[in-house]
Amino acid sequence: AAGVIQSPRHLIKEKRETATLKCYPIPRHDTVYWYQQGPGQDPQFLISFYEKMQSDKGSIPDRFSAQQFSDYHSELNMSSLELGDSALYFCASSSAPGTSGDTQYFGPGTRLTVL
Amino acid sequence: SQQGEEDPQALSIQEGENATMNCSYKTSINNLQWYRQNSGRGLVHLILIRSNEREKHSGRLRVTLDTSKKSSSLLITASRAADTASYFCALRGGYQKVTFGTGTKLQVIP
Repeated sequence: AAGVIQSPRHLIKEKRETATLKCYPIPRHDTVYWYQQGPGQDPQFLISFYEKMQSDKGSIPDRFSAQQFSDYHSELNMSSLELGDSALYFCASSSAPGTSGDTQYFGPGTRLTVL
Repeated sequence: SQQGEEDPQALSIQEGENATMNCSYKTSINNLQWYRQNSGRGLVHLILIRSNEREKHSGRLRVTLDTSKKSSSLLITASRAADTASYFCALRGGYQKVTFGTGTKLQVIP
């Protein structure tokens, strides 16, 4: 079965550079979530989109922005990168939140290293 | 904070033994999910239990939920070396946001 696809899988950037992470949800899933997981930390919710509109917001820095496109894929844009942004970034997708489609299916993650 | 607190933080058992992990939380939830994560890898969904359910089974997994005590437990029976991973509870309270617990690192010794 098709899973959530994230690209790139690994990304190395310098401080103050920008990065764009992409997420392709499972087909027919209309909701996308972004999480950040620092080394040895639990995943922290950043932001979510439902039907191309932002639906919930967590601890996402102002330097980050995200959007969901008409084909339901999502991009997380990160600017003025800092060393502390080094983390695993997960995308998850689900269908019809609040119903039996509550389960979030996670992608393999993008490992961002900021030097 | 809605974050779940898991205990123990780390657990080491012999293959074949049962492993029990607990998750406690503070506010009301719609559902609670358990995920497994192998080191540096993605999160794998294990089981979801809704707030009106008390117990669910899936293979060697058994999850209980006690909303009066605001706690859940994950039992893995007849553990295998391949079960070695971190296990997270994830709480859905609001519309979309899922908050992860602090995680339990399970090591199953062959």
